[in-house]
Amino acid sequence: QVQMVQSGAEVKKPGASVKVSCKASGYTFTDYYMHWVRQAPGLGLEWMGWINPNSGGTNYAQKFQGRVTMTRDTSISTAYMELSGLRSDDTAVYYCARGRDVTNTSPFGTWGQGTLVTVSA
Amino acid sequence: EIVLTQSPATLSLSPGERATLSCRASQSIRSYLAWYQQKPGQAPRLLIYDSSNRATGIPARFSGSGSGTDFTLTLSSLEPEDVAVYYCQQRTNWPLTFGGGTKVEIK
Repeated sequence: QVQMVQSGAEVKKPGASVKVSCKASGYTFTDYYMHWVRQAPGLGLEWMGWINPNSGGTNYAQKFQGRVTMTRDTSISTAYMELSGLRSDDTAVYYCARGRDVTNTSPFGTWGQGTLVTVSA
Repeated sequence: EIVLTQSPATLSLSPGERATLSCRASQSIRSYLAWYQQKPGQAPRLLIYDSSNRATGIPARFSGSGSGTDFTLTLSSLEPEDVAVYYCQQRTNWPLTFGGGTKVEIK
């Protein structure tokens, strides 16, 4: 079955960077865009951007431009999201999510389990 | 950026009652609206896409409607396992945006 398994929880100091991984299985990794969505504690969902695993092309939300980098390793069907210059308000659960079809605007039919990133001095 | 406003913030109903959740867009998004259900400690789950299409495995008691700027998610007969927060999301313009959520509780 289609699934994505994310890396474990992280605790980082302000100003540091974090890199979260998302390993996909059950489908052809390069066929579907991979998106990243985050959720601060007790708050709503916020889209961060996507990566095209086939070409490596990316599209980031303006809010995260300059701080986020999305990459992939097709040999191990894994997508990565790196966020730099961490602040306390970056504390959130970070999800990878795959569209239900191959377009880059497809609704998110499959989600990873989430990775909690805590930013604290 | 398209803003999605969900109402009410919280809905408290008895089992078997009908739940009606609203999502209003700041500009027309045609029918490109999805609904997600998120239970505590879990990732969101896609319920409805393109306003009215149920995702795979979603029970028929969930239905969606609307176009343009006004959308509705209806749960025809509330069950205890429907306790969750429900989010709408548009895919018409970048950035993709979500509504603030409606929490559904059982009385």
